[in-house]
Amino acid sequence: DAGITQSPRHKVTETGTPVTLRCHQTENHRYMYWYRQDPGHGLRLIHYSYGVKDTDKGEVSDGYSVSRSKTEDFLLTLESATSSQTSVYFCAISESLGQGNGNIQYFGAGTRLSVL
Amino acid sequence: QKEVEQNSGPLSVPEGAIASLNCTYSDRGSQSFFWYRQYSGKSPELIMFIYSNGDKEDGRFTAQLNKASQYVSLLIRDSQPSDSATYLCAVSGAGSYQLTFGKGTKLSVIP
Repeated sequence: DAGITQSPRHKVTETGTPVTLRCHQTENHRYMYWYRQDPGHGLRLIHYSYGVKDTDKGEVSDGYSVSRSKTEDFLLTLESATSSQTSVYFCAISESLGQGNGNIQYFGAGTRLSVL
Repeated sequence: QKEVEQNSGPLSVPEGAIASLNCTYSDRGSQSFFWYRQYSGKSPELIMFIYSNGDKEDGRFTAQLNKASQYVSLLIRDSQPSDSATYLCAVSGAGSYQLTFGKGTKLSVIP
């Protein structure tokens, strides 16, 4: 599992409440990612981080914010959850293939979020 | 916008047959190509990666890359019921730390 832990694994919340999902890694990877996965849409990048306090937006960042105050932790926050944010959220880390051949991503177990 | 296309399936093959999964991509600058397997309710798991034209074999799995045709495929020989899953194709550009994923092909191996 590349040393990635996501918490919580399941969460049910109400529309309008704030929600924070946590991704913790133990192997000092520089790059970390948050994706959401929905039927018919596949995996879509929300935000990613390339170091402590260094983050950038992905394809579907509206309504989400992230923070990375330590190398090992990458937090995803839904400031005011909406039903459209009901999804499965995956955290990932990146490892280099070396020799300029790109990077492999490994995924955490996922968080299933339901917004009622 | 970079796109990765996969047939959503389901693709059904009998046990012991060869399953062929296909993926096309739009960005000619793409450099690295990945196949992930995802069982229902689980996270994506890397099966293979390839970055040179041609074939790359690992056990029962063979990845094939044709950059001129912007096409990458995954062959699964001697398919087993345990291979039943959704297979995700992912692509990254040169020097990029991001992956673009296809929507996946659902494979069913019938005993």
